[in-house]
Amino acid sequence: EDQVTQSPEALRLQEGESSSLNCSYTVSGLRGLFWYRQDPGKGPEFLFTLYSAGEEKEKERLKATLTKKESFLHITAPKPEDSATYLCAVLNTGNQFYFGTGTSLTVIP
Amino acid sequence: NAGVTQTPKFQVLKTGQSMTLQCAQDMNHNSMYWYRQDPGMGLRLIYYSASEGTTDKGEVPNGYNVSRLNKREFSLRLESAAPSQTSVYFCASRALAGAGEQYFGPGTRLTVT
Repeated sequence: EDQVTQSPEALRLQEGESSSLNCSYTVSGLRGLFWYRQDPGKGPEFLFTLYSAGEEKEKERLKATLTKKESFLHITAPKPEDSATYLCAVLNTGNQFYFGTGTSLTVIP
Repeated sequence: NAGVTQTPKFQVLKTGQSMTLQCAQDMNHNSMYWYRQDPGMGLRLIYYSASEGTTDKGEVPNGYNVSRLNKREFSLRLESAAPSQTSVYFCASRALAGAGEQYFGPGTRLTVT
């Protein structure tokens, strides 16, 4: 069965302390891997799409990478406003999306 | 552009009551989706509509019905609410059924007592 596992569940960083979030996946044919940011009480906000192993995307302090088994969301020199839950999702060849349970990131000033 | 809008934002129902959650998008997207989000379980797909005039079941369809009213609007109906349907409901849209990312609405927080 297709599934997505994110780790860690929660992460606390000091402002400026870089780190990475992990998204491991098992999928019957990957058509895309997606990262979203979700603030409390709001809907997920789209960040990146990755389609094939080796692909990388960047936006401000965030960089997403993809291998055949997992994706990483690297956060460089985070700021308090980067605090949110980050969700990973995969799309399989059956056109079904599967979401992970997210990593809750807190950046302390 | 408002993107994806949902009404209401909050709702409290008694067991057995019915209600309809409304969703609309102004991005001219073909596909629309309904998800529920529960603590520790991630987003789970209830129903989706790949294009106007079609609807299909997702992972957790029991107890729900949907209507794709037109290209813009996709509603979710609970005919007889149960406490297990207490959740946050998100509507999403996508340009095409076979490609690209989803865009989410702000959610409806539903409590069934």
